[in-house]
Amino acid sequence: QKEVEQDPGPLSVPEGAIVSLNCTYSNSAFQYFMWYRQYSRKGPELLMYTYSSGNKEDGRFTAQVDKSSKYISLFIRDSQPSDSATYLCAAGGDSSYKLIFGSGTRLLVRP
Amino acid sequence: EAQVTQNPRYLITVTGKKLTVTCSQNMNHEYMSWYRQDPGLGLRQIYYSMNVEVTDKGDVPEGYKVSRKEKRNFPLILESPSPNQTSLYFCASTTKKANYGYTFGSGTRLTVV
Repeated sequence: QKEVEQDPGPLSVPEGAIVSLNCTYSNSAFQYFMWYRQYSRKGPELLMYTYSSGNKEDGRFTAQVDKSSKYISLFIRDSQPSDSATYLCAAGGDSSYKLIFGSGTRLLVRP
Repeated sequence: EAQVTQNPRYLITVTGKKLTVTCSQNMNHEYMSWYRQDPGLGLRQIYYSMNVEVTDKGDVPEGYKVSRKEKRNFPLILESPSPNQTSLYFCASTTKKANYGYTFGSGTRLTVV
């Protein structure tokens, strides 16, 4: 079992839809949870960062972590074609600053 | 501009021919890491470094070497590349203040024939 599991998609939605991306993880020691966005032929860029459980909102993006169920979510409101990318969840928790990544979900927002 | 720079962006080489992928960051970050990205497997850590002269193995270190002689540079060395090392490689860096918020380079697409 992978430490961080993510549905690879692809996920195709119409412009303006609310998108829900999800990951599960197995290591209860993880404390740091992140979402990265990766456009084609580019490196991943940090989108959202959450420490421990709870929600974090940044514009159209909301990250949620539920440590009791080991569930990580990213919600995108009013999705735009420019949101089309691969979204990677990641988790970490020890002093080595090691991040474990999910395999990524490919999102396509249709105009 | 704060960035992680990798070179080359694309590389095709033959089995057994030693190669080095360079990585440099201009943010004075103490932590640097190399990842490889393969379809369906996501990003897997190869090696990481917590500071100058401090390196350690990640999840898939076999066939790779690294060095950290200067804070800004973290080259990845393939002494004898094999076709199973064909992949997309990313260098990344972070600092304590950023916690786990790694900044990634643009990637190096390596093909070993």
